[in-house]
Amino acid sequence: ETGVTQSPTHLIKTRGQQVTLRCSSQSGHNTVSWYQQALGQGPQFIFQYYREEENGRGNFPPRFSGLQFPNYSSELNVNALELDDSALYLCASSSGTGEGGNIQYFGAGTRLSVL
Amino acid sequence: QQQVKQSPQSLIVQKGGISIINCAYENTAFDYFPWYQQFPGKGPALLIAIRPDVSEKKEGRFTISFNKSAKQFSLHIMDSQPGDSATYFCAASIWGNTPLVFGKGTRLSVIA
Repeated sequence: ETGVTQSPTHLIKTRGQQVTLRCSSQSGHNTVSWYQQALGQGPQFIFQYYREEENGRGNFPPRFSGLQFPNYSSELNVNALELDDSALYLCASSSGTGEGGNIQYFGAGTRLSVL
Repeated sequence: QQQVKQSPQSLIVQKGGISIINCAYENTAFDYFPWYQQFPGKGPALLIAIRPDVSEKKEGRFTISFNKSAKQFSLHIMDSQPGDSATYFCAASIWGNTPLVFGKGTRLSVIA
């Protein structure tokens, strides 16, 4: 186990709705990255938060937004859901500094289905 | 634009055999190359990683070979076991807490 927990594990929404996914990072980690993994594909980077600030963003529209809290847990919000948003959403945490700072530890993900 | 190309898409290996998965990258700034293993219903788990200062890294039955001039790296699983059956992803990034760029994955099946 990585110590990264995500909730909920599964979620079903309809097109146009909004969704919030949550992630608790591993103890001592100040960086959280979010990835989208479509069926049969590798994870794609959405954005990263470092010490409560957005620290990089992938090629995703603004309706994908996030937050990081003082305890370094994080939320991913998706507005105006589209059918193509159906995927496994992964959260990864890292310490951000030192020799192991680059190592990202993943949670089990939230499976989102948009109908 | 796919920055990390992974092959094969799927692989079937006999128990005790060698599994080989290959990846090629485009961005010469990449200097951190991890491999992740993912079982159904689980998130990716770091298996082994390499940086370009060495051409090979071995951990148990898992070996990464790295060819900087060819911009290629590969994962070798020796003495493959049914428990190794999973999807394997190569990834690349710039060292320093930057996002990972993943390949599309290889589904490995080890049959007895």
